[in-house]
Amino acid sequence: DAGVIQSPRHEVTEMGQEVTLRCKPISGHNSLFWYRQTMMRGLELLIYFNNNVPIDDSGMPEDRFSAKMPNASFSTLKIQPSEPRDSAVYFCASSYRGRVPDTQYFGPGTRLTVL
Amino acid sequence: QKEVEQNSGPLSVPEGAIASLNCTYSDRGSQSFFWYRQYSGKSPELIMFIYSNGDKEDGRFTAQLNKASQYVSLLIRDSQPSDSATYLCAVPSGTYKYIFGTGTRLKVLA
Repeated sequence: DAGVIQSPRHEVTEMGQEVTLRCKPISGHNSLFWYRQTMMRGLELLIYFNNNVPIDDSGMPEDRFSAKMPNASFSTLKIQPSEPRDSAVYFCASSYRGRVPDTQYFGPGTRLTVL
Repeated sequence: QKEVEQNSGPLSVPEGAIASLNCTYSDRGSQSFFWYRQYSGKSPELIMFIYSNGDKEDGRFTAQLNKASQYVSLLIRDSQPSDSATYLCAVPSGTYKYIFGTGTRLKVLA
């Protein structure tokens, strides 16, 4: 199994630009999570999808952030417009809800720097 | 109030010693507990999970639960420099959400 795949691995952009992060979950998993990790706040859940449907987006910071999951093998997290405070590592994780335990497997992350 | 708390460290132990990492949680009804290891610049990887019904040993790693005091421990025996990483505790909250601690940084000194 290839594991969770994320792209790009690094992204440097300027304030105000649109940023799109991509994720391919593990095949067969039905749950997908987007997290943001910073030194100050640790790992924060941004949004959770189950069977491609957004279930909980309460962690999305503001309207500048949006996420989609058009099919079971692809998800995007978009930031428009980006701001320096969005600089962080963004992780995608997937799991199979219904399996016990419901273990989350993380992708390698995207390190975002907004100048 | 944080629901999962960890001492940020760093916890420094000499090579070959036992490293003991603790995680306290606030939800007394928690049924499972996860330990992730995160090397610098890498993603969290699951190393162990336990249920509320008992401790678990896996090679050099042991996870122990103290329900009365609401903390879970991760013991690493015969610590190696390659164990140097940040260890994250995660406790499920509800049906899908994990609450992660901020992690304890472990340094194993050669």
